[in-house]
Amino acid sequence: GAVVSQHPSRVICKSGTSVKIECRSLDFQATTMFWYRQFPKQSLMLMATSNEGSKATYEQGVEKDKFLINHASLTLSTLTVTSAHPEDSSFYICSARALQGEYGELFFGEGSRLTVL
Amino acid sequence: GENVEQHPSTLSVQEGDSAVIKCTYSDSASNYFPWYKQELGKGPQLIIDIRSNVGEKKDQRIAVTLNKTAKHFSLHITETQPEDSAVYFCAASKGNAGNMLTFGGGTRLMVKP
Repeated sequence: GAVVSQHPSRVICKSGTSVKIECRSLDFQATTMFWYRQFPKQSLMLMATSNEGSKATYEQGVEKDKFLINHASLTLSTLTVTSAHPEDSSFYICSARALQGEYGELFFGEGSRLTVL
Repeated sequence: GENVEQHPSTLSVQEGDSAVIKCTYSDSASNYFPWYKQELGKGPQLIIDIRSNVGEKKDQRIAVTLNKTAKHFSLHITETQPEDSAVYFCAASKGNAGNMLTFGGGTRLMVKP
């Protein structure tokens, strides 16, 4: 199947710093990518929908100025957690849609675990 | 919006037994229902999906059934193996797979050898 790569897989940062997470579709082009957040033993919560060449659409309750999303190309979307605080510590996962006929299929990255000290 | 409920939250079975996980959804317009397996520290992996134009789909030991009238769908794993142990998520969306997925709460499956 198609591959979605996330980097870094783990990151530890100090409170107040910014962290950038990359999501790449390695063998297909993705016009749409999704960013999720997952707390321990909980389900995936959609944060935002990233569309290539346009502004991301954020879910209710997600601060767009804190979680900056850029989808500059058909194979790369980035999530920047600005001025990170300990409560931002979480597992962040991206997914990308491979264009296949009418439906396509969503592929998930391996996730990025952020720990803010 | 869509609401997906998943049960049970934890499931323990003996190796070789079957496991069944059930999900209900609220939006009758949803027509795409994927199931994902998530191992510890990893992203979800699609294991099977079903669209609303069929009632059942099978792939080796894994099957999914869909009841559109009752708005529920189920995952069936037969002849379970220890490597099936993971967290399983159901999801629902409208239109195609590029649309937003609403996830169930997850089921932690433990297969005892």
